[in-house]
Amino acid sequence: DVKVTQSSRYLVKRTGEKVFLECVQDMDHENMFWYRQDPGLGLRLIYFSYDVKMKEKGDIPEGYSVSREKKERFSLILESASTNQTSMYLCASSLQGATTDGYTFGSGTRLTVV
Amino acid sequence: RKEVEQDPGPFNVPEGATVAFNCTYSNSASQSFFWYRQDCRKEPKLLMSVYSSGNEDGRFTAQLNRASQYISLLIRDSKLSDSATYLCVVNMYSSASKIIFGSGTRLSIRP
Repeated sequence: DVKVTQSSRYLVKRTGEKVFLECVQDMDHENMFWYRQDPGLGLRLIYFSYDVKMKEKGDIPEGYSVSREKKERFSLILESASTNQTSMYLCASSLQGATTDGYTFGSGTRLTVV
Repeated sequence: RKEVEQDPGPFNVPEGATVAFNCTYSNSASQSFFWYRQDCRKEPKLLMSVYSSGNEDGRFTAQLNRASQYISLLIRDSKLSDSATYLCVVNMYSSASKIIFGSGTRLSIRP
């Protein structure tokens, strides 16, 4: 079974803090994604990566950056957390070119910025 | 207009009933389609892919109507455990970055 592991289930951070969300997958998937999920808005793509050191902006990259130094790990960074970044963050992975297959998601990180 | 639209529900149906919901998409060139299931406070999980010819998996049937640009999910003989949010997912351009998630339809099965 593909496993996508997110480092924290719940996080509470203060406004202005730098926040790191970590995601690791164990199935050698090329593609990795960061989404946020908010009520009524569905999942929105923040960033994705299709290879080590490669990254592409998604629909809502503002206020975020990412890092992919190793194939299995994709990190989301909130440079200076703000209250409007309070959300559920979901990491996902998939095989390269496997657009007919689904994604496998991590269990999510519920981030609260106070 | 949203790229992928779903009725948010909630659909509240008795156990054993048949329930169906649709999802419409805006881009006629969309390539592939999926239904995901998401339980409360959990991550989405792939329920089934949707093929042009339609497909069935046990009590679940998914269909694609390209002419009218919608996909549907039918659940027969619904169980309490079917209570969840069902997300419609559309791949717009055969690109990993262009998979669009609907906001989900909430389904609640009552005893």
